[in-house]
Amino acid sequence: AQSVTQPDIHITVSEGASLELRCNYSYGATPYLFWYVQSPGQGLQLLLKYFSGDTLVQGIKGFEAEFKRSQSSFNLRKPSVHWSDAAEYFCAVGAMGGGADGLTFGKGTHLIIQP
Amino acid sequence: GAVVSQHPSRVICKSGTSVKIECRSLDFQATTMFWYRQFPKQSLMLMATSNEGSKATYEQGVEKDKFLINHASLTLSTLTVTSAHPEDSSFYICSARDDRGGPQHFGDGTRLSIL
Repeated sequence: AQSVTQPDIHITVSEGASLELRCNYSYGATPYLFWYVQSPGQGLQLLLKYFSGDTLVQGIKGFEAEFKRSQSSFNLRKPSVHWSDAAEYFCAVGAMGGGADGLTFGKGTHLIIQP
Repeated sequence: GAVVSQHPSRVICKSGTSVKIECRSLDFQATTMFWYRQFPKQSLMLMATSNEGSKATYEQGVEKDKFLINHASLTLSTLTVTSAHPEDSSFYICSARDDRGGPQHFGDGTRLSIL
């Protein structure tokens, strides 16, 4: 069965500092990986996705993520965070592009931005 | 971009009431839609896969008679929580897969509170 682990429940970062959110997955085949962001009481917004090809993927809002098959990881990064980045971040894995089946989500990482 | 509309955004009702939640794809056709449930400060858990014109596929542990899913058209899926009880209170989020391919698009969720 597929699973996603986000080891950090909370992360606090100063505004302007760099950010890395960790994600490890377990999946029997080639995974399709996603990062979503959720503001309180809201739905999910897709930040970026990895299907194949270049292992460093660029997303919206200045985020990027790197797929490392040897480490089963798909960590999310941003060089300089803004106060508006404070939110809940979810890593997810799916098959077939995450389209034909439901996604398996990690437990999420709550990002706090310090002024 | 693709938009998924979920309605209502919030509902409060008495125990024993049945509640219907709608999920619409506004600018694309979706043969497949998904329903997720999210408890406070928890991750999203896939409840069921909704398929237009056929029966929904439920995840293990989800009561199909409790959570009725109807996907009568290519742009609309509904989730009915029958005889809702306080333990059904949760945040329900739908997603839809564009038939032309690509990742799922999420609605903004429905906050269900059963008194």
